[in-house]
Amino acid sequence: GENVEQHPSTLSVQEGDSAVIKCTYSDSASNYFPWYKQELGKRPQLIIDIRSNVGEKKDQRIAVTLNKTAKHFSLHITETQPEDSAVYFCAASSTGTASKLTFGTGTRLQVTL
Amino acid sequence: DVKVTQSSRYLVKRTGEKVFLECVQDMDHENMFWYRQDPGLGLRLIYFSYDVKMKEKGDIPEGYSVSREKKERFSLILESASTNQTSMYLCASLAGHSYEQYFGPGTRLTVT
Repeated sequence: GENVEQHPSTLSVQEGDSAVIKCTYSDSASNYFPWYKQELGKRPQLIIDIRSNVGEKKDQRIAVTLNKTAKHFSLHITETQPEDSAVYFCAASSTGTASKLTFGTGTRLQVTL
Repeated sequence: DVKVTQSSRYLVKRTGEKVFLECVQDMDHENMFWYRQDPGLGLRLIYFSYDVKMKEKGDIPEGYSVSREKKERFSLILESASTNQTSMYLCASLAGHSYEQYFGPGTRLTVT
């Protein structure tokens, strides 16, 4: 089955700096890659996703890049703010949708003032 | 607005007890999922269901079973709770072949 590795497990950045979280996947059939954000004490929520026919996708301060050849994808957050502090999970699916996701182990991002 | 609710936020049970965790969604979603969340291990899929009375094993089904008698309700059952099942349990639902799983608030289960 699919295996998704996520790094780093914790990340501390100063407000205004950029943050990058990286994931690798094992199944070359995977074709859908979402990112979920879980704030402390709250439920995970989808923040951005990318499909295998796209190399990069942006939504305001967040972007995701995908390298199918190397089987890795990354989340980039620019101009970080305190409200970006959360645990971020990457995931992968071979169904083209969110119907069977394999999640990474999570990255705790701390944005300091 | 999608609403996924779970029957309890916190639950304390004794080893060997039978435990029921209930999840209800109000958006007529076909798919429902049960995950457990442990520090350093992320979200791991226990079971999922794509229709009433249908179920499939996820990555860690041992020690668990599920029931889906109605479309809106998906139950996770621990037949004989053990201490290694102490965890946060998250339910999620998904519409058809859609792109966002909607999560419930979670149930923190402690087995003593």
